[in-house]
Amino acid sequence: AQSVTQLGSHVSVSEGALVLLRCNYSSSVPPYLFWYVQYPNQGLQLLLKYTSAATLVKGINGFEAEFKKSETSFHLTKPSAHMSDAAEYFCAVSENYGGSQGNLIFGKGTKLSVKP
Amino acid sequence: NAGVTQTPKFQVLKTGQSMTLQCAQDMNHEYMSWYRQDPGMGLRLIHYSVGAGITDQGEVPNGYNVSRSTTEDFPLRLLSAAPSQTSVYFCASSYQGGLDTQYFGPGTRLTVL
Repeated sequence: AQSVTQLGSHVSVSEGALVLLRCNYSSSVPPYLFWYVQYPNQGLQLLLKYTSAATLVKGINGFEAEFKKSETSFHLTKPSAHMSDAAEYFCAVSENYGGSQGNLIFGKGTKLSVKP
Repeated sequence: NAGVTQTPKFQVLKTGQSMTLQCAQDMNHEYMSWYRQDPGMGLRLIHYSVGAGITDQGEVPNGYNVSRSTTEDFPLRLLSAAPSQTSVYFCASSYQGGLDTQYFGPGTRLTVL
């Protein structure tokens, strides 16, 4: 069964510092991996997704993530944090059964705070 | 396009009351789903639908019913509300299930007293 583990429920960084949010997954078949962001009192929106093409995926707002099969990881990074990045971030996995659609399973989320 | 819309935004119920959370999308998506979000638990899948007339259970279906009579609408029914159903509920849609980008509604914040 697929699952997602996000290390750290809260991460705090200073403005301009590196952002690193960790995500590890387990999956019995090649996974599709996603990062979603949730700003306060809003729904989720897609940041980026990995769909078995390039292992380094670039998303919106300067975020990127690298798929590492050997480490079963899909960590999210941004070189320089901005105050507007303060939000909750969710990693999610879906399994590709050769065209049959798996459901999306979410991690518990990491709340990112950005200090001025 | 309005995207995914949900009504109501807020709702307070008493234990044992019933209600329906509405969800609609105007993107002609086949796949629709309901999640609940609780602090520290992430999003958990309640029910999903791969097309009109087809629904199935997710991870936490107990206490909830769904139906899908049209492509656009996917209501979630609470038959007899319990305090454990206090949560924020999100509806989402996509072209093709979990492999595709999910488009989320703004959520319904439900409190059951």
